Amino acid sequence: SQQGEEDPQALSIQEGENATMNCSYKTSINNLQWYRQNSGRGLVHLILIRSNEREKHSGRLRVTLDTSKKSSSLLITASRAADTASYFCACYGNNRLAFGKGNQVVVIP
Amino acid sequence: DAMVIQNPRYQVTQFGKPVTLSCSQTLNHNVMYWYQQKSSQAPKLLFHYYDKDFNNEADTPDNFQSRRPNTSFCFLDIRSPGLGDAAMYLCATSSGTTQETQYFGPGTRLLVL
Repeated sequence: SQQGEEDPQALSIQEGENATMNCSYKTSINNLQWYRQNSGRGLVHLILIRSNEREKHSGRLRVTLDTSKKSSSLLITASRAADTASYFCACYGNNRLAFGKGNQVVVIP
Repeated sequence: DAMVIQNPRYQVTQFGKPVTLSCSQTLNHNVMYWYQQKSSQAPKLLFHYYDKDFNNEADTPDNFQSRRPNTSFCFLDIRSPGLGDAAMYLCATSSGTTQETQYFGPGTRLLVL
């Protein structure tokens, strides 16, 4: 399936540290997206990287994509307490998004 | 602000009692999606509408149906909720021209007693 699988599934860091999450997938994709979900809320789109791109930045976010390894990573630099959330990678292909199970990130003030 | 709105935020129903969840959007997007998300799991696509064209996922139970009376509104009907249908239900939209990025509502938490 296209569904992404995130690693690690839970991460606890101190405020100011960087947080890195990885995502692996199984089939070809048009693009890969990362979403954030605060507890009990909807998902918020963070960043999209296309299959022909290798790296993308948006503010404190950096995402990489390695299509040969079918993997992506999301880096959050200088984390803040407000970054505490679940982070999902989602593979876009066949006109639909397939989400992974998510990474739970806790940033300790 | 343009947004996706879901009502109610919390819904309690009884086993077997039909329930309807609603979603509205001010983004004027062509595509509307319904996802089911159970605790600590990935959102699972149930179905989506591209304008009035309904697209059901192959593994969506017949118990789940949807209506889209106009561009702005979309409804999720659960005909006979079971205990296993307790979940967060997320509505999302995307533009018809670039269907990639999706905009989510806050979700409706459904509890089945």
